[in-house]
Amino acid sequence: AQSVTQPDIHITVSEGASLELRCNYSYGATPYLFWYVQSPGQGLQLLLKYFSGDTLVQGIKGFEAEFKRSQSSFNLRKPSVHWSDAAEYFCAVGPRSGTYKYIFGTGTRLKVLA
Amino acid sequence: NAGVTQTPKFQVLKTGQSMTLQCAQDMNHEYMSWYRQDPGMGLRLIHYSVGAGITDQGEVPNGYNVSRSTTEDFPLRLLSAAPSQTSVYFCASSYRTSGSNEQYFGPGTRLTVT
Repeated sequence: AQSVTQPDIHITVSEGASLELRCNYSYGATPYLFWYVQSPGQGLQLLLKYFSGDTLVQGIKGFEAEFKRSQSSFNLRKPSVHWSDAAEYFCAVGPRSGTYKYIFGTGTRLKVLA
Repeated sequence: NAGVTQTPKFQVLKTGQSMTLQCAQDMNHEYMSWYRQDPGMGLRLIHYSVGAGITDQGEVPNGYNVSRSTTEDFPLRLLSAAPSQTSVYFCASSYRTSGSNEQYFGPGTRLTVT
C-alpha cells in the first residue's frame, strides 16, 4: 500500500540548533515529493519539492531536503532553527502517473526553545 | 489574486443537519481537492476534481458529496452531519492534473458536530 511515514510526532530543539525531520515513503515508483509547513491556525504552505535530478533540494526559509532512493526517504533539514520555525511539518507524495491522489504523512510538530 | 478561499471559517452543526463548505480559487487551476485534518492522522483526501464536471473519491469519501460545475468552485456537502465529521477541512488546488504540481491550500474550515 502507498504510504508516507513521519516517525516523529513531536520534536523539540533549541533556537540555533540544527534540525532534521524524517520522512519515509512506500510507493510503487519514485513519486514526486513535497514538504509543507503549517503554522497554527493556517493552511499549508509549500517549503520545497523534488521531481528529479539533484537529490539535494533547496527550499524557502533556509530549509533543504535530501532524497535517498535506496532508503525511500526524503528528510528535511535546517542548519540553524529560528523561533519562527515552530509549526507542523508535513511530508507528501504526488503520483507520477495514474490517479491524482496526493498522500500526506501524519505530520511532525516542531517546538523551538528560546 | 485571492488564491484559495474557504467559507465559513468556523461552523457548529447538530447531528443530522446538512451544510455546504464553500471553496473557490481564482488561479484557473484544473485540480481541486478536499482534505480533512484530524489530530495524529495528517491530511486525508476526501474528494478531488481534475476539471469542471469531473470528480472522484479519495481516501475517506463516505458522508460527503462534491460537484464541480465551474473551474473556480468546488463545494463540499455534508448531507447528514455526524460527530465523526468533526474536523478541520482544507480545500486545495493546483495548476495541472499532474502529481508534480504543488497544491495551494485555503485557510481551512473548523467544523464541530454535536
